[in-house]
Amino acid sequence: KNQVEQSPQSLIILEGKNCTLQCNYTVSPFSNLRWYKQDTGRGPVSLTIMTFSENTKSNGRYTATLDADTKQSSLHITASQLSDSASYICVVGLKTSYDKVIFGPGTSLSVIP
Amino acid sequence: GAVVSQHPSWVICKSGTSVKIECRSLDFQATTMFWYRQFPKQSLMLMATSNEGSKATYEQGVEKDKFLINHASLTLSTLTVTSAHPEDSSFYICSAEDGLNTEAFFGQGTRLTVV
Repeated sequence: KNQVEQSPQSLIILEGKNCTLQCNYTVSPFSNLRWYKQDTGRGPVSLTIMTFSENTKSNGRYTATLDADTKQSSLHITASQLSDSASYICVVGLKTSYDKVIFGPGTSLSVIP
Repeated sequence: GAVVSQHPSWVICKSGTSVKIECRSLDFQATTMFWYRQFPKQSLMLMATSNEGSKATYEQGVEKDKFLINHASLTLSTLTVTSAHPEDSSFYICSAEDGLNTEAFFGQGTRLTVV
C-alpha cells in the first residue's frame, strides 16, 4: 500500500534552535519526494523537490535529505524563526503514466520566542 | 517559481446555493490541475484531477455531480460546489503542474463556509 508517514505529529521549539522533521514512505514506483510548507489558511508552498538520484537539497535554512534505499527523508530547519511556524508536508510522487502523489499527514511546527 | 492564483480566498454561502472556485496558472500552461479538500488539522485530500479539454477524474467517494470541475483552457480550471450544505464547509485548494520538472504549484486556497 502506498503510504507516507511523518514524525513527529507536532513539535514546539524555541526561536533560534534547529529541528529535524522525518518522513518515511512506502511508495512504488518512486518518482520524487517534495517538502512543502503550509501556513494556516494558505496553500502549500514548495521547499524542495528531490528525485531518486539526489540525496540532499537545500533552500536557504531548509535542508532536505533523501535515502531512497531506506525510503526515508528528513527536513532540517536551521536557526528557526517565528515565521517557520507552519505545517510541513512530505509528498511522494509516483512514476506512473499519470500524475499521482501521496501526501503525508504533515508535522505541525510551532516556533516560540 | 510559477504562480497559481485561486479565487475567491474565502466565501460564505447559504445552504442550497452553488459556489464556483477558480484556479488559474498565471505564468505557465497547466495541462493538469488538481483539486484538494482539507479539513482542520488534516492533510490535503485529493478530490479530482482536471485535464484540459476532457472530463475530470474523480477520486473514490467524491460525488462528480456535486463537485463539478471544468478545465476549459490551459490556464483555468473551475470547481463548482452545487447545492452546498454545511458539511461541504472546508478549505479547498488547487494545484497545477507545468509538466516540465514535476513541480506542483498550489493556489492559496479557498475557505468555504456554508450556513
